[in-house]
This record gives sequence, C-alpha cells and structure tokens, in this order.
Amino acid sequence: EAQVTQNPRYLITVTGKKLTVTCSQNMNHEYMSWYRQDPGLGLRQIYYSMNVEVTDKGDVPEGYKVSRKEKRNFPLILESPSPNQTSLYFCASRQTGGSEQFFGPGTRLTVL
Amino acid sequence: AQSVTQPDIHITVSEGASLELRCNYSYGATPYLFWYVQSPGQGLQLLLKYFSGDTLVQGIKGFEAEFKRSQSSFNLRKPSVHWSDAAEYFCAVGANAGGTSYGKLTFGQGTILTVHP
Repeated sequence: EAQVTQNPRYLITVTGKKLTVTCSQNMNHEYMSWYRQDPGLGLRQIYYSMNVEVTDKGDVPEGYKVSRKEKRNFPLILESPSPNQTSLYFCASRQTGGSEQFFGPGTRLTVL
Repeated sequence: AQSVTQPDIHITVSEGASLELRCNYSYGATPYLFWYVQSPGQGLQLLLKYFSGDTLVQGIKGFEAEFKRSQSSFNLRKPSVHWSDAAEYFCAVGANAGGTSYGKLTFGQGTILTVHP
C-alpha cells in the first residue's frame, strides 16, 4: 500500500530534550516536506526537500533541522524543543512533477 | 509571495443543505489550487485540484470548485451535505512550476464544517 508513515504518532517531552520524528514514504517520491498545524493558522511549511541531499527552509524553520540521506526518509529533528513547538506535525511527499501531495497521519507533539 | 485566505473559520449547515466554502488566493501568475479535507484525528485528503483548463473542477465525494481569476477565488461547493462531510477543509495554492509541477504549497487557515442532522 502506497503511504507516508510517521513515528511516533504521539509524543510528550520536556524542554531541551532532543527528539526526532521519522517520516518514510514508499512511493519513490522526490519531494518531501514537513508542516506544522496550529489552530487558526492552517498548515505551515517547516522544511522541504526536492531530492536526496537537497533541503530548504519553508516558512517556519526556526528550531528545526532535517536531513535527506535516503530518498524514502525525511526525519524532522528538534535539537532543543521548546513549548512553542507543541503542535501537530505532518510529513508529506509527492513526485516533483506530480499533482497530488500525500500526507502522513500526523504526529502530535507536546513540549512541557 | 503567495497566500491563501479562508474567510470563514467555522460554518454550520443542516444535512441536505447546499454548501459553499470560500477561498481567496494571492499569487502573481496562474496558480495551482487545491482543496483538502481533514477529518478529526486524521491526515489530509485531496478533494480536488485545478491546474488549467475548465475552471469548474469536479472532485471526490460530490464536491466541486470553481476557479475565478477575476475574483482570485476558488470556492468549494457541494449541492447536498451529508453528516459525514463534517470536517476541516483547507484551500491551498501551489507555485506554478510548469506542466503539472508546482513548488511550494501554501495553505489557508482552514474552515471547520459542522453538519446538523
């Protein structure tokens, strides 16, 4: 089944404790992206990657890092999480020339 | 820079009534436009998209949307709403990169739809 998977789905952590949210897709998509969703703000892009080893900042990259060492994986790294990073995070992927972006199920992160 | 505005934060309709969700965009060229739906606790599902051609596009679940360049709008419609349509709806604009390719996708703030029996 074609899908985007994220782990963990739920995470509660404390300020300053490094964490990684994994994202994997099995559709051989070149383009992958991370979004955060906050009430009243919709989805805002954090980082995106056009292909392996090619990443760029989205609208709200502060406090986040990403890497794209393999085509299928695009982990999101919070080196020192803060409470304002409490949010619902979505990973997405698509073909570079494709019309549909596929979303993962989301990761709900709470930073205390 | 591209942007999307969904003027209605929350809309309530009765089951069987017609629905229109508004979306206004700002983009310097011909945009690529999308509507996504998010059911509670779920990810986003694509309802429909507009790249070019016929300005009235049909999507899944009986939804349609009309692209009006003069009004910079891409409103979503459904003639008869079902209780299962209760969800949050997002309009998005993609930066035109030629063909069916687009770059950055910018989302609106979302409209929550409540359906009364």
